[in-house]
Amino acid sequence: DAGVIQSPRHEVTEMGQEVTLRCKPISGHNSLFWYRQTMMRGLELLIYFNNNVPIDDSGMPEDRFSAKMPNASFSTLKIQPSEPRDSAVYFCASSPLYLAGVPDTQYFGPGTRLTVL
Amino acid sequence: EDKVVQSPLSLVVHEGDTVTLNCSYEVTNFRSLLWYKQEKKAPTFLFMLTSSGIEKKSGRLSSILDKKELFSILNITATQTGDSAVYLCAVYNNNDMRFGAGTRLTVKP
Repeated sequence: DAGVIQSPRHEVTEMGQEVTLRCKPISGHNSLFWYRQTMMRGLELLIYFNNNVPIDDSGMPEDRFSAKMPNASFSTLKIQPSEPRDSAVYFCASSPLYLAGVPDTQYFGPGTRLTVL
Repeated sequence: EDKVVQSPLSLVVHEGDTVTLNCSYEVTNFRSLLWYKQEKKAPTFLFMLTSSGIEKKSGRLSSILDKKELFSILNITATQTGDSAVYLCAVYNNNDMRFGAGTRLTVKP
């Protein structure tokens, strides 16, 4: 398996532009996570899908952020309009569902480094 | 407010030393605690702990959870330079995962 695939790997955009980050989880995994990592705030969970359904999006910073998972093999994280403070590395991770509903081992993608000028 | 606190924040040791990294937490509806290793790129999963007192082991790494005292430790024996990384602890409750700030471990030859 190729692991979790994220695209693009790097994105540089100007403030106000729309940004779409993409993720393909590992085949057969039931859970998908979007994280953001910055020096200031460390690693933060933004949103978590279980069987394509968003479970909790309380970590999404504000209405400018939205995430979708139209099927088990694809998810997007969209920022519109983007702002310089959104600059970060965005990780996607997938996990097989633990029997008790607790996410098991998470496999992280390589991340997308976003720079908003 | 839920929080996860790791200590120490940084640690420098020499090859062959044994290290113990700490993670304490205060969260509602605790479900599991996870340890990750992050070098220059994405985190890699090490352990998931859900039950107190059961040690998880993988090679030179081991971890244990104490749900009464609300902490976990990660032990690394016979450290190697390749163990140099940031070690992250995260706690999962019903709907959220909260990360600690990490411990930066540097292993010198």
